[in-house]
Amino acid sequence: NAGVTQTPKFQVLKTGQSMTLQCAQDMNHEYMSWYRQDPGMGLRLIHYSVGAGITDQGEVPNGYNVSRSTTEDFPLRLLSAAPSQTSVYFCASQKTRQNPGVEGYTFGSGTRLTVV
Amino acid sequence: GENVEQHPSTLSVQEGDSAVIKCTYSDSASNYFPWYKQELGKRPQLIIDIRSNVGEKKDQRIAVTLNKTAKHFSLHITETQPEDSAVYFCAALTGNQFYFGTGTSLTVIP
Repeated sequence: NAGVTQTPKFQVLKTGQSMTLQCAQDMNHEYMSWYRQDPGMGLRLIHYSVGAGITDQGEVPNGYNVSRSTTEDFPLRLLSAAPSQTSVYFCASQKTRQNPGVEGYTFGSGTRLTVV
Repeated sequence: GENVEQHPSTLSVQEGDSAVIKCTYSDSASNYFPWYKQELGKRPQLIIDIRSNVGEKKDQRIAVTLNKTAKHFSLHITETQPEDSAVYFCAALTGNQFYFGTGTSLTVIP
């Protein structure tokens, strides 16, 4: 098992550019989510999905889109990047919402995004 | 929505001493409380968790306690070692969402 694979690891964007952060898991987890991590603010939920074809908003969804066409993949799209979106982004998955599983929440390795 | 508060934001202890990190939550419907350790530049990793029907759970030097009435839960690390130095996050699961605390930076001084 590769676990949760997140790409790219680093990215610099210009204001107004768009991009997609990729996230894939090979553990057959139903529940996937995206967080952003900012200094002093912990991890804040952007969007999440409880299964293929189902997505919902978290605490800070504005400026981001997601889709879940397969169980394995959960890409995060920035439509028009803004400096306020400079952050470290983590994708995470777990078995189901009700049953986190022995391993609990598994995080990807993170993407450090800078918008200039 | 749920509000998770975590204290202290920084904590320094001497090697061998104990460390305690506390979190409070606001939504009585929260039913699962994991703790994560994040080393510098790395991903958060689950170290221990507790469900709402349990009051305490222990795994070697790490323990978590939960007081549902007071809506708070705590992480206890005994016999701290330098490799315990990291940022620790608590979280609460409410409905379909996890809510995280703002983190505690723990430094273990050799």
